[in-house]
Amino acid sequence: DTGVSQDPRHKITKRGQNVTFRCDPISEHNRLYWYRQTLGQGPEFLTYFQNEAQLEKSRLLSDRFSAERPKGSFSTLEIQRTEQGDSAMYLCASSSPGTGSGNTIYFGEGSWLTVV
Amino acid sequence: AQSVTQLGSHVSVSEGALVLLRCNYSSSVPPYLFWYVQYPNQGLQLLLKYTTGATLVKGINGFEAEFKKSETSFHLTKPSAHMSDAAEYFCAVTLFSGGYNKLIFGAGTRLAVHP
Repeated sequence: DTGVSQDPRHKITKRGQNVTFRCDPISEHNRLYWYRQTLGQGPEFLTYFQNEAQLEKSRLLSDRFSAERPKGSFSTLEIQRTEQGDSAMYLCASSSPGTGSGNTIYFGEGSWLTVV
Repeated sequence: AQSVTQLGSHVSVSEGALVLLRCNYSSSVPPYLFWYVQYPNQGLQLLLKYTTGATLVKGINGFEAEFKKSETSFHLTKPSAHMSDAAEYFCAVTLFSGGYNKLIFGAGTRLAVHP
């Protein structure tokens, strides 16, 4: 059982460029989350997918951010016209279907973004 | 609204000493609580979770936590620290709405273990 996989692990980009991160959740996990973590802070929720439907977007997700999960499997997070404030680790997580709020959410290794 | 406060952004202990990382939560409904650990340049790994039932929860690597409703706390402990325990620890509470749950994290506590 492989874990949540994220690619690339590290990305350095110039301000104004677009970047895209990919996340492959644990197989059969229909719930997928993106979080952002800046230095010295806990992860902050960005968006949630159930299958291919994006059910929630945080106010942290500005218009420059877009996330997709076209076939309910892998997901991409794109940041357009990157700014230095976008420098952070972007974490993807997934959990299994089912009711209740006790389902464990499994995190990937994260994708570090540095905007220079 | 759910929230989590972790007291102490940095904790330093000697190898073999007791580890105590503090977490207090705020929740309008019975909370589900989690502790995650993050090693340098890695993602988050679940240490333990409390949902219902026994209030003393045991996790991996010898860690445990006790849910105390009267104190709105979920402190993480380990009787004897190892050098390998040095990491950042996050407490989280579940926000469940719209048929799904998401985690609300505290700011984290960095644990240093010295010889």
